[in-house]
Amino acid sequence: GEDVEQSLFLSVREGDSSVINCTYTDSSSTYLYWYKQEPGAGLQLLTYIFSNMDMKQDQRLTVLLNKKDKHLSLRIADTQTGDSAIYFCASGSSGNTGKLIFGQGTTLQVKP
Amino acid sequence: GAVVSQHPSWVICKSGTSVKIECRSLDFQATTMFWYRQFPKQSLMLMATSNEGSKATYEQGVEKDKFLINHASLTLSTLTVTSAHPEDSSFYICSARGDGVREQFFGPGTRLTVL
Repeated sequence: GEDVEQSLFLSVREGDSSVINCTYTDSSSTYLYWYKQEPGAGLQLLTYIFSNMDMKQDQRLTVLLNKKDKHLSLRIADTQTGDSAIYFCASGSSGNTGKLIFGQGTTLQVKP
Repeated sequence: GAVVSQHPSWVICKSGTSVKIECRSLDFQATTMFWYRQFPKQSLMLMATSNEGSKATYEQGVEKDKFLINHASLTLSTLTVTSAHPEDSSFYICSARGDGVREQFFGPGTRLTVL
């Protein structure tokens, strides 16, 4: 079945850039999403990219998509301690079900 | 953005009892709601998809008689964990989306602990 994989942990220093990587298997994925989850809370949509795009930038966030390799990355510029959280990559198909397949989540630790 | 609430935010119950979790869309009509389960330090696993006024569609391996889902209105869906056991302890998260809208909005989650 469809699968989404992420590295589990990333540690960076405050002010550095963070890059979180994700790979997916479903070639019919139309939208790819990045969500942020803070401890004990639900998911907050950070950004998403349509599969016919290579890159999307939104303030400190840059999403890169390599559709050929089915590889997605999220770059956070000037990482702050408030960015410490779990980041989930998710893929969604073009169908109307709205079903999302989530990766395991990457825990980002930002050291002051 | 749209707001989705869940109630309760946490619940502790005895084994064998049933627990109902509510998911509400506060400022939009949610034609579709999704229920997820999240184990500690793991991903979200979709349990079921519910469309207002119709039966929920359960994912493979999810017992529909154990996890009862009702989506009786455009702003409310409920998940009832029947005859709960300690292995049902988990973080349950709902999401909701409006008609013709792709984005899902997530609730804050409900932590269930079964003793």
